Amino acid sequence: SFELTQSPSVSVSPGQTARITCSGDVLSTQYAYWYQKKAGQAPLLLIYKDRERNSGIPERFSGSSSGAVVTLTISEVRAEDEADYYCLSPDSSGIYVFGGGTKVTVL
Amino acid sequence: QVQLVQSGAEVKKPGASVKISCKASGYTFTKYPLHWVRQAPGRGLEWMGWTNVDTDNTRYSQELQDRVTITRDTSATTAYMDLSGLRPEDTAVYYCAREGPRELGNGYDLWGQGTLVTVSS
Repeated sequence: SFELTQSPSVSVSPGQTARITCSGDVLSTQYAYWYQKKAGQAPLLLIYKDRERNSGIPERFSGSSSGAVVTLTISEVRAEDEADYYCLSPDSSGIYVFGGGTKVTVL
Repeated sequence: QVQLVQSGAEVKKPGASVKISCKASGYTFTKYPLHWVRQAPGRGLEWMGWTNVDTDNTRYSQELQDRVTITRDTSATTAYMDLSGLRPEDTAVYYCAREGPRELGNGYDLWGQGTLVTVSS
């Protein structure tokens, strides 16, 4: 199966920008999806098809793509954005893989 | 109300099997695929497999394909995930998730509340 690689952690001060990357060969041909996961809660879809913001998600969350790397950007970070973030992508045969997750810490 | 409601927590011994249900309501059950995802304590999200609820076609992760079976009962609008040969490392919260409307691509727009499965002797 394929792999998606994320950096394990990002630390950012309130009001600053956090960037989380997800890399993998499959991303050159398949869309990525970004989820926010907080303890005790089900994951929440933030971004679909690399860059489309899901309904109800604040504009400070945005997605972008370049080749085999996708990026989730959180602008003007707030304390409530402290969470784990995961990318997800399917391959062409319908197998899905999550990235390892990135823990965002708001200082 | 559009929702997925999962069955309750389970405690199992190593080698046993567990079957978790995911009941859908508030939408046309056969219209959207259902996926299963788990998260072990202190670990990341792990994709397990999915079912095309309409056709009953399924796909599983390579790591779990020998032990996991996803089924559905359209008359009961319920999907099931059966995991056999349980090991302590299968201790996790298990989620079902709906792959949403076509405009979301393969995004999961609706999740169950999660079911804790504890595997311990």
